[in-house]
Amino acid sequence: SQTIHQWPATLVQPVGSPLSLECTVEGTSNPNLYWYRQAAGRGLQLLFYSIGIDQISSEVPQNLSASRPQDRQFILSSKKLLLSDSGFYLCAWTQGKGYGYTFGSGTRLTVV
Amino acid sequence: DAKTTQPPSMDCAEGRAANLPCNHSTISGNEYVYWYRQIHSQGPQYIIHGLKNNETNEMASLIITEDRKSSTLILPHATLRDTAVYYCIVRAPSGGYQKVTFGTGTKLQVIP
Repeated sequence: SQTIHQWPATLVQPVGSPLSLECTVEGTSNPNLYWYRQAAGRGLQLLFYSIGIDQISSEVPQNLSASRPQDRQFILSSKKLLLSDSGFYLCAWTQGKGYGYTFGSGTRLTVV
Repeated sequence: DAKTTQPPSMDCAEGRAANLPCNHSTISGNEYVYWYRQIHSQGPQYIIHGLKNNETNEMASLIITEDRKSSTLILPHATLRDTAVYYCIVRAPSGGYQKVTFGTGTKLQVIP
């Protein structure tokens, strides 16, 4: 069966520090991968999506970047965190006809 | 992708049916309606999806109007564990990337 792993679950980082969040999918190949962010009390904002290795598209200009070095690995990064980067980050994948999204368990990032 | 609109919040008595509406008046002919729910501090969880026929699974029922411009998610016997934010989205069943917007959903509060 397919599973999605996201870590860490929580993270507290100082302003200006780097960030690396990792997401991996198991049990499938060539998934479409997504990074979403959810600010407190807000909906899900799509940050990045990827349809293949090294194929990354950004939905909104921001302080973050994404990479996909392997088919089932998706990484969210920042060189210098801002206070506004705080939020709940979710990785998700989709594949095939009629299939919806499967989300990871999320990372709660607090920038202090 | 078509946009959806949902009421921001609803209350439901425990044991009663919860009926959550969603409007998707600009839905395209090949787009499915999907429902997800997000319990606090977790990733969204898939509930059900449908195209034009009513659907039922172990979690819920989905009623789609004949013109497909709106739908209702029904939780037949709501429990306290059903307290969550419920998202309605529309998505075409293709294998490629689709930009899907998750709005702020409906916050369902099940009351004892």
